[in-house]
Amino acid sequence: AQRVTQPEKLLSVFKGAPVELKCNYSYSGSPELFWYVQYSRQRLQLLLRHISRESIKGFTADLNKGETSFHLKKPFAQEEDSAMYYCARGTGTASKLTFGTGTRLQVTL
Amino acid sequence: GAGVSQSPRYKVAKRGQDVALRCDPISGHVSLFWYQQALGQGPEFLTYFQNEAQLDKSGLPSDRFFAERPEGSVSTLKIQRTQQEDSAVYLCASSSFHSYNEQFFGPGTRLTVL
Repeated sequence: AQRVTQPEKLLSVFKGAPVELKCNYSYSGSPELFWYVQYSRQRLQLLLRHISRESIKGFTADLNKGETSFHLKKPFAQEEDSAMYYCARGTGTASKLTFGTGTRLQVTL
Repeated sequence: GAGVSQSPRYKVAKRGQDVALRCDPISGHVSLFWYQQALGQGPEFLTYFQNEAQLDKSGLPSDRFFAERPEGSVSTLKIQRTQQEDSAVYLCASSSFHSYNEQFFGPGTRLTVL
């Protein structure tokens, strides 16, 4: 079965500090990996996907097939980054997502 | 445009009652997904529709759970004889073939079974 592991339930950093949210996945074929974010009192929304290789709100994530990881990084955390972050993988177009348990990022002054 | 909407937003049911949760996807979205999110967990897949066809129901936890999308638009998730372990947030998501698996989520329905 596909698994997505987010080892940290809570990550607390100071404003301006670098952020790295960890995500590992079980190897199976060609994974499609995503980061979804849920801000307070808002719905779950896509932050970025590995296939796009883009930077959204200063966040980037690189797929490392050797380590089966897809860590989310940002060089300088902002208060507005405080949210719940979920790593997820899908297989194929329009397919179900398997989510990790999520990491709450708390950015403090 | 309007996003995915779900109703009701909150539902309290007594153990043994039947409940029906509704999802209105984004207009024109072919794919529709239901997920269950227990407290402190990530969303877990329940079932998937492509238009009116239910292509994957492998995540439904028991035969008390039933989903339909008869006209390929609105979907209903029905839970019969609710149990306390059914308490969770039920999320609906939709996507189009052109969005390459970006799923747009609704606000969820929080079900509490007493």
